Amino acid sequence: RKEVEQDPGPFNVPEGATVAFNCTYSNSASQSFFWYRQDCRKEPKLLMSVYSSGNEDGRFTAQLNRASQYISLLIRDSKLSDSATYLCVVTHSGYSTLTFGKGTMLLVSP
Amino acid sequence: NAGVTQTPKFRILKIGQSMTLQCAQDMNHNYMYWYRQDPGMGLKLIYYSVGAGITDKGEVPNGYNVSRSTTEDFPLRLELAAPSQTSVYFCASRTGQGLTEAFFGQGTRLTVV
Repeated sequence: RKEVEQDPGPFNVPEGATVAFNCTYSNSASQSFFWYRQDCRKEPKLLMSVYSSGNEDGRFTAQLNRASQYISLLIRDSKLSDSATYLCVVTHSGYSTLTFGKGTMLLVSP
Repeated sequence: NAGVTQTPKFRILKIGQSMTLQCAQDMNHNYMYWYRQDPGMGLKLIYYSVGAGITDKGEVPNGYNVSRSTTEDFPLRLELAAPSQTSVYFCASRTGQGLTEAFFGQGTRLTVV
């Protein structure tokens, strides 16, 4: 089983739609969780950290389920500018490194 | 505040040549990383450093070397370039562990022919 798994997509949605991505992780000692966004041929940028109680930032909501070892990202009222690849990122307790999933591609159409 | 700066942005190498990818950050971050990203794939960790003088291998270190003589700089050396090293290379830095953001450079697109 891969350490961090994501559905590669693409998810094709119309503007205004709500879309959700899941990410599963295999290491139960995983400590910190993030969602990064990567535009085509660009560097990844932090979208949001994922807190244990879940957190919201505008149209974006992140949830963590430690029992089932997955995190989710919900995007409401999708915009054309949300089209990108969303990367799930995990760190482990005592480790200095970040482990990336392969990403989920989102395409928002007019 | 420039953040993480990578040079060069593009490079074409011939098989067997060597080169150094430069990475510098001005945020006084202790942790620095080198990743490679192949088309349609995720980022794979090559090497990382938790401070000046300390480096460690990541998932795919073969064919690469690094050094960390200062907090600011973390160059990646490719010896005897091979076509399999054709990729986009990203350098990143962060302050430490936990919920700290990693900042990425703009990447170096390397082609080995």
